[in-house]
Amino acid sequence: GAGVSQSPSNKVTEKGKDVELRCDPISGHTALYWYRQSLGQGLEFLIYFQGNSAPDKSGLPSDRFSAERTGGSVSTLTIQRTQQEDSAVYLCASSVTGVGETQYFGPGTRLLVL
Amino acid sequence: GDSVTQMEGPVTLSEEAFLTINCTYTATGYPSLFWYVQYPGEGLQLLLKATKADDKGSNKGFEATYRKETTSFHLEKGSVQVSDSAVYFCALSGGSYIPTFGRGTSLIVHP
Repeated sequence: GAGVSQSPSNKVTEKGKDVELRCDPISGHTALYWYRQSLGQGLEFLIYFQGNSAPDKSGLPSDRFSAERTGGSVSTLTIQRTQQEDSAVYLCASSVTGVGETQYFGPGTRLLVL
Repeated sequence: GDSVTQMEGPVTLSEEAFLTINCTYTATGYPSLFWYVQYPGEGLQLLLKATKADDKGSNKGFEATYRKETTSFHLEKGSVQVSDSAVYFCALSGGSYIPTFGRGTSLIVHP
């Protein structure tokens, strides 16, 4: 079956512009996660959704970052007024319900802010 | 809170060498333990997992045993190949919906 997909795969933008990153999780997975991975670094947790609700937004680095999930499926991560330090790979993952389960990752969106 | 510590890389080996990547954890309760692998330019994918003490996860020649007494989940492979070159992440998922990942260990295998 289809895995987790993300779009765009690459995004180059200018400092100060807004960007939207999309994640399509595996059908039926209620848990969805966003992570950020800077060059050569580990995973930085950003936000977690259970269904359409985001019980944990603790990882969002600033109020320029927001995310939503609609219909218990697709999620969008929005970065407003992008800064050069936002350049990273943004990974999305989903799992069936969340606790103690395997996470299925998408290929990531590579964001470069000039 | 929960934490995962894994050995820093890069780990550089010749083809057919034995591989060990150490991983230790701190957690309350009895978490599930995972190894994920990330090939260049891709997302992470599950390599193997174990859900309770003394379980051994295995896949593609890789193995790891859930050791509760030493809070460890070391990854091993008897004979690495060039195609195993990747970044390996140890992770745990327990009482929280948010899993905890190690910082990753880069493996470079030379022919």
